[in-house]
Amino acid sequence: DIQLTQSPSFLSASVGDRVTITCRASQAITSYLAWFQQKPGKAPKLLIYAASTLQSGVPSRFSGSGSGTEFTLTISSLQPEDFATYYCQQLDTYPLTFGGGTKVEF
Amino acid sequence: EVQLVESGGGLVQPGGSLRLSCAASGFTFSDHYMDWVRQAPGKGLEWVGRSRNKASSYTTRYAASVKGRFTISRDPSKNSLYLQMDSLKTEDTAMYYCARITPNDNGDYIAFDYWGRGTLVTVSS
Repeated sequence: DIQLTQSPSFLSASVGDRVTITCRASQAITSYLAWFQQKPGKAPKLLIYAASTLQSGVPSRFSGSGSGTEFTLTISSLQPEDFATYYCQQLDTYPLTFGGGTKVEF
Repeated sequence: EVQLVESGGGLVQPGGSLRLSCAASGFTFSDHYMDWVRQAPGKGLEWVGRSRNKASSYTTRYAASVKGRFTISRDPSKNSLYLQMDSLKTEDTAMYYCARITPNDNGDYIAFDYWGRGTLVTVSS
């Protein structure tokens, strides 16, 4: 199985900060890497798919990049509604797998 | 408007069975792959399995942790997805989400673009 390792696991930040989360895969994958945001008690929300394609309706402060084994999610200017947990997911190979999550806290 | 509504969760004893449902509306159900994803309390996300679309004969794939115990099926006439869970274990305790998968321009199913709110399954004696 492809393991996805997210770093950091926890991130303390302030409104207006630029935030970067990394997702490393245990082997090279295609660009089929997605990022989700999840708030407590809610379902995950798709932010980015195909490594860098912004899902419709998602603010442009979110961006994704990367290839091979290293991918990043960047929030250019953190807003109050962005405090949440973020997950990466690979859709390259079965079984589909998720990273362990990054909790962005104040 | 796309909507996915899960139901059927509850408390079940180890070794028992439960059938979850996911009612879909607002899109052509037969065109899309549909997946189940679960999340144990306080833990991360885990992919459970997939039902491909009508063009792929609704074939299924499963995570190793549930293969042989869980079965995914669909009733296209009811726009519903199901997860039959047998031989349940305490480690199956989780919130279960259904998700719609949408293809890119190349026809690769790579975007979990809609999720239901989930239904909670608790396996305990």
